[in-house]
Amino acid sequence: KQEVTQIPAALSVPEGENLVLNCSFTDSAIYNLQWFRQDPGKGLTSLLLIQSSQREQTSGRLNASLDKSSGRSTLYIAASQPGDSATYLCAALLGTSGSRLTFGEGTQLTVNP
Amino acid sequence: EAEVAQSPRYKITEKSQAVAFWCDPISGHATLYWYRQILGQGPELLVQFQDESVVDDSQLPKDRFSAERLKGVDSTLKIQPAELGDSAMYLCASSLGPTSNQPQHFGDGTRLSIL
Repeated sequence: KQEVTQIPAALSVPEGENLVLNCSFTDSAIYNLQWFRQDPGKGLTSLLLIQSSQREQTSGRLNASLDKSSGRSTLYIAASQPGDSATYLCAALLGTSGSRLTFGEGTQLTVNP
Repeated sequence: EAEVAQSPRYKITEKSQAVAFWCDPISGHATLYWYRQILGQGPELLVQFQDESVVDDSQLPKDRFSAERLKGVDSTLKIQPAELGDSAMYLCASSLGPTSNQPQHFGDGTRLSIL
């Protein structure tokens, strides 16, 4: 079974700290990986999309990397702010899943003022 | 910025009743997805449309769930009869085309509670 795993499940940091969220996937035949943010009771907001041919993508204080050989992606958040508090989900489009995204269970991030 | 619209935002109903959710994707988006998200988990795809055609409904419990996108624009997801285990967030998403090169954009979802 194809799986996407996110560690840690929850993370609490002080404001201003740089942090890394981890995502691992079991299928090296990956087409793309997408990072989302989800606020409580809300839908998902797309943050970054990395194609399999790319190594990383950047948007503002966010940087996402993709290492297909190790089956890992990381989301780096620089100079964290209380407004960054949310659940962060990664989702992979894997080789034999057609066009179905496989989601991790998310990392719940709390940034304390 | 254009958004995916979903209604209702919340739905409370008793088991054995019928429920329906509506989704209006971003204008011009040919691909539409319905997901179910159980609290504390990631979303799982129920059904994917390309225009008006179903391209993936392998995870849809077809004995009680149905989905349609008759004119290739807005879509309806129905459950009949609802069961206690159907309590979850139902999310709709859309993209310009197939996921391999296009990000998915999500609505705010419908939170369903079955009593």
